[in-house]
Parts: sequence; C-alpha cells; structure tokens
Amino acid sequence: EDQVTQSPEALRLQEGESSSLNCSYTVSGLRGLFWYRQDPGKGPEFLFTLYSAGEEKEKERLKATLTKKESFLHITAPKPEDSATYLCAVQGYSTLTFGKGTMLLVSP
Amino acid sequence: KAGVTQTPRYLIKTRGQQVTLSCSPISGHRSVSWYQQTPGQGLQFLFEYFSETQRNKGNFPGRFSGRQFSNSRSEMNVSTLELGDSALYLCASGDGNTQYFGPGTRLTVL
Repeated sequence: EDQVTQSPEALRLQEGESSSLNCSYTVSGLRGLFWYRQDPGKGPEFLFTLYSAGEEKEKERLKATLTKKESFLHITAPKPEDSATYLCAVQGYSTLTFGKGTMLLVSP
Repeated sequence: KAGVTQTPRYLIKTRGQQVTLSCSPISGHRSVSWYQQTPGQGLQFLFEYFSETQRNKGNFPGRFSGRQFSNSRSEMNVSTLELGDSALYLCASGDGNTQYFGPGTRLTVL
C-alpha cells in the first residue's frame, strides 16, 4: 500500500525566514510525485510534478526536490501570501495517494 | 481554458437522504477522479472514471457511487447519508499524469 507522510504538521515562519517541508513516501512504481497548495475552503492548486530522483522544479519562492524516499519543498524568503496548506501526493500503479499536509503560516 | 467546475458549492442534508454532486472537467480531459476531504483523514480517493468507465475505486462503502457521461462530465451519488459523510468533496480532471482540482462541494449532514 502506498503511503505518504508529511512533516511538520504545522509550521509558523516570520516573513523572510526560509524553511523546508518534508514528504516521505513509499510507493510501488513511482509514476510521479506532486505538490499542491490548498487555501482554506478551496480545492488544491497544482504546483509541481517530479518524476525521478535528483529532479528539481522551481516556481517563484518555491523549489521542490526529489530523492528515492522523500521530497522537500523549500520556501525561500516567504511572504504572508504563501500561507496555506501544502499537500504532497504520489502516483503509483493505480491511484494518487495524499499526505495530510503541512499547514504553513507566515507572519509579517 | 476554464477550470474544473463543481456544483453545487454547498449542500445541507439530513441523515438518510441521498445527494448527487456534479463535476465538469477541463475541456479535453477524459479522466475524472473524486476525493473526500475531512480534517481527520485528509484527502481520500473515492473513484476514477475514464471514458465513461470506472478505472479505480477507493475503500468506501457501496453507498458511494459515480458515473461519467460521454462529454466527460461526472456525477457522484451518496445514498443513505450518515453524519460522518460531512466533508469537502473534490473532483479532479486529468490530462495524463497531473490532476487539476475543482473548488469542491461542501456537504453538511445534520
């Protein structure tokens, strides 16, 4: 059974204070690892797809990396508008399995 | 392109009733998946449809069912509602590997 564990569950940062979110996974036949951002009361918004160990993707202040066992979402100099829940998911042979997310709060 | 749309956005039902939720995928997407999101369990996979056929199904009771039409629009139905069915129901459409989510339908069961 595919499993995804995200840590920490919640993270509070000051504006400009860089940090990383972790996503550990076990999956039979990784077809992709996905990062989404979800704001309260809304659907998840797609951020990145990573396919193989060593791959990196960047978008504004966010950078996602992938190893054979985990992925990191690095947030550089975050702003209050980066506050959201960040979800990690893995695509195995059949379905997409999500972690429970990391709730990020960035204070001004 | 317009995103995934879901109707209605909010629903209030009582125990024992049934409910039908609707999802219109992004134009050109043939895959539609449904998820249930609750604070305790997170996002849990319900089922996936592709070209009107159910391709995968999650571990939910038979009260949860779905279908997909020839235009790729999808509906899910929950019969004999229970209090624990209160959740955000999310639909996602896919263009291969990546799924794009709609805003969800917030279902409250009283």
